[in-house]
Amino acid sequence: DGGITQSPKYLFRKEGQNVTLSCEQNLNHDAMYWYRQDPGQGLRLIYYSQIVNDFQKGDIAEGYSVSREKKESFPLTVTSAQKNPTAFYLCASSIQGARGTDTQYFGPGTRLTVL
Amino acid sequence: AQKVTQAQTEISVVEKEDVTLDCVYETRDTTYYLFWYKQPPSGELVFLIRRNSFDEQNEISGRYSWNFQKSTSSFNFTITASQVVDSAVYFCALSEANYGQNFVFGPGTRLSVLP
Repeated sequence: DGGITQSPKYLFRKEGQNVTLSCEQNLNHDAMYWYRQDPGQGLRLIYYSQIVNDFQKGDIAEGYSVSREKKESFPLTVTSAQKNPTAFYLCASSIQGARGTDTQYFGPGTRLTVL
Repeated sequence: AQKVTQAQTEISVVEKEDVTLDCVYETRDTTYYLFWYKQPPSGELVFLIRRNSFDEQNEISGRYSWNFQKSTSSFNFTITASQVVDSAVYFCALSEANYGQNFVFGPGTRLSVLP
């Protein structure tokens, strides 16, 4: 089945630790995205990548880092510099990123909690 | 600047009632795309519909229908004969073809369908 997988589903982190959230897609999509969702709020864009080995900051990139070494994979690292990382993280992909208007398809999400 | 407003924060209906979720958008672009997504309690965003700014025809898909009116910058979503499984948060999103880089999501409307 084609789709987007995210792991782990739940993640607990101690303050001061970096953690990496996995996102993999087998849809052969060029573009991938990371969003953050806080309780009762909409989605905010963290980073996006339109093509392998290239990525751009979104609206709330501070304290996060990404890499795009393979078309299928777009991992997100939440660093200790992120002051309030507890949130629900959603990964998405779309066929082409250049236009920004293609439908985005989402993974199941990772819920990160800082203890 | 692009913006999406979903004025209804929460709606509760009894099963079999019809319900309309409002979406109002702002854009300076002449070519843009509008989307609706459903987020059930599991968390994953499920794509429902994508419409472009040149197609104002209403669309019906089973119990779902969408009313796009450029004159009022609205793209409303109606669920007919609601069911408990329709309980979710629904997001409206906008993407501009020429000015915006990515999606802008509304804050979402939480729909509760009571048995």
